[in-house]
Amino acid sequence: DAKTTQPTSMDCAEGRAANLPCNHSTISGNEYVYWYRQIHSQGPQYIIHGLKNNETNEMASLIITEDRKSSTLILPHATLRDTAVYYCIVLNAGNNRKLIWGLGTSLAVNP
Amino acid sequence: DTAVSQTPKYLVTQMGNDKSIKCEQNLGHDTMYWYKQDSKKFLKIMFSYNNKELIINETVPNRFSPKSPDKAHLNLHINSLELGDSAVYFCASSQGGQGSEKLFFGSGTQLSVL
Repeated sequence: DAKTTQPTSMDCAEGRAANLPCNHSTISGNEYVYWYRQIHSQGPQYIIHGLKNNETNEMASLIITEDRKSSTLILPHATLRDTAVYYCIVLNAGNNRKLIWGLGTSLAVNP
Repeated sequence: DTAVSQTPKYLVTQMGNDKSIKCEQNLGHDTMYWYKQDSKKFLKIMFSYNNKELIINETVPNRFSPKSPDKAHLNLHINSLELGDSAVYFCASSQGGQGSEKLFFGSGTQLSVL
């Protein structure tokens, strides 16, 4: 499975957009990009995933570059409750697929 | 109703004891998982079950024995607890399907082995 690289930490002002980058330069054609987040003392929470096209849901938008070597998770209007560790994971769609978790990006949303 | 619930939330025990953590999901999912999150916050899969059948076993010591009585439950029994077993254990479930790993996690069980 392809590895991902994320910044260790980021800050964002409340109400502004939070743009979290992820590099996955060794991603292969059948690997999806998944984003999860973990708020302190809680279990991880699914946010969004995509293969090639940009995706949007009620939580966030996922922008994947045309060459698929990087992606950006966008929280359009960050709130204090979005303070969490955000994990970018690539997943092979084959059998026995499993998510390989890195250390993610610790996002602090400041008032 | 909590989608994925695990009990207990905290577990403090002595080395050498045997303990169990229970997990239940009410989402109707076919696949359930156990993950371990260590003190450095790495989250690693331990086991995956699909319709009560073991799918993934990530070289976990055989002191750890998962049991799935039905597809809504996946319990984790740990024999002869060691200091290194101290961690937060998360249960999760997913509907599965090609390319779909949208997991729903429980709130975790913090295990402390003294």
